[in-house]
Amino acid sequence: KAGVTQTPRYLIKTRGQQVTLSCSPISGHRSVSWYQQTPGQGLQFLFEYFSETQRNKGNFPGRFSGRQFSNSRSEMNVSTLELGDSALYLCASSGGTGGSYEQYFGPGTRLTVT
Amino acid sequence: AQSVTQLGSHVSVSEGALVLLRCNYSSSVPPYLFWYVQYPNQGLQLLLKYTTGATLVKGINGFEAEFKKSETSFHLTKPSAHMSDAAEYFCAVRPSYGNNRLAFGKGNQVVVIP
Repeated sequence: KAGVTQTPRYLIKTRGQQVTLSCSPISGHRSVSWYQQTPGQGLQFLFEYFSETQRNKGNFPGRFSGRQFSNSRSEMNVSTLELGDSALYLCASSGGTGGSYEQYFGPGTRLTVT
Repeated sequence: AQSVTQLGSHVSVSEGALVLLRCNYSSSVPPYLFWYVQYPNQGLQLLLKYTTGATLVKGINGFEAEFKKSETSFHLTKPSAHMSDAAEYFCAVRPSYGNNRLAFGKGNQVVVIP
C-alpha cells in the first residue's frame, strides 16, 4: 500500500496570506489527524477528522481549519499567516478511531512564513 | 488529559553501547503508548507500541520498551547502538478509547559516537 502523502512538501508564504495543505491517507484509512511541529513547542495536535467530521480539536486559533472529503483526503487551511506559523505540518492516518489503531505519518509540509 | 515527559533533549551514545531513552506519562484513562523515530526531513515512523497484554514490547530495528504502570513509564532501549540509530525519538500517549489525539514528549535527539 502507498503511504500517507502530503503536498506540497515545501511552501514559502508571506505574512497575512493564507495557505492550504493537502493530505492523502493510506487507502482504506478513514481517520486523518494533523500536527504542527516546531523547535520551540514540539509536536502539537491540531485536529482530527473521521468520516468527514471533525472529531477532536487542539488548542489553536480559529485561523487554523480543516476539512475531509468523502474519499478521506484532507486539507488544512491557515488564514492570515503569522511568522510563528512557520513549522513542519504533519498529517497522520489510521484505520479507525479508538481501538489500537496506530497512526501513520506522512513526510510533512515545511511551511515558511516571511 | 494525557502528557508525556522525556528528559534530556540530546543523548550521546557510543556505537555498540546501550541506548536508553526515558519516557514518563500521565493519563486519566488507560493509555496506549508509542515510540516514533524521525530522521532529518522526514515524517515520523512508528518504532513500537503498547496497547494491552505483554508489557515488554519489541519493535523494529532492535528496539524494545517496557510498560510499567506503577512507575507510569515506557522507557525505550536497544542493547547495541548503530550509527544508523542517529535520529530524533518521540514518546507519545493517547487514550485507549475515544479519539486518536496523540500527546508527544519533547523528543530525544540521539547522537551516535563512532
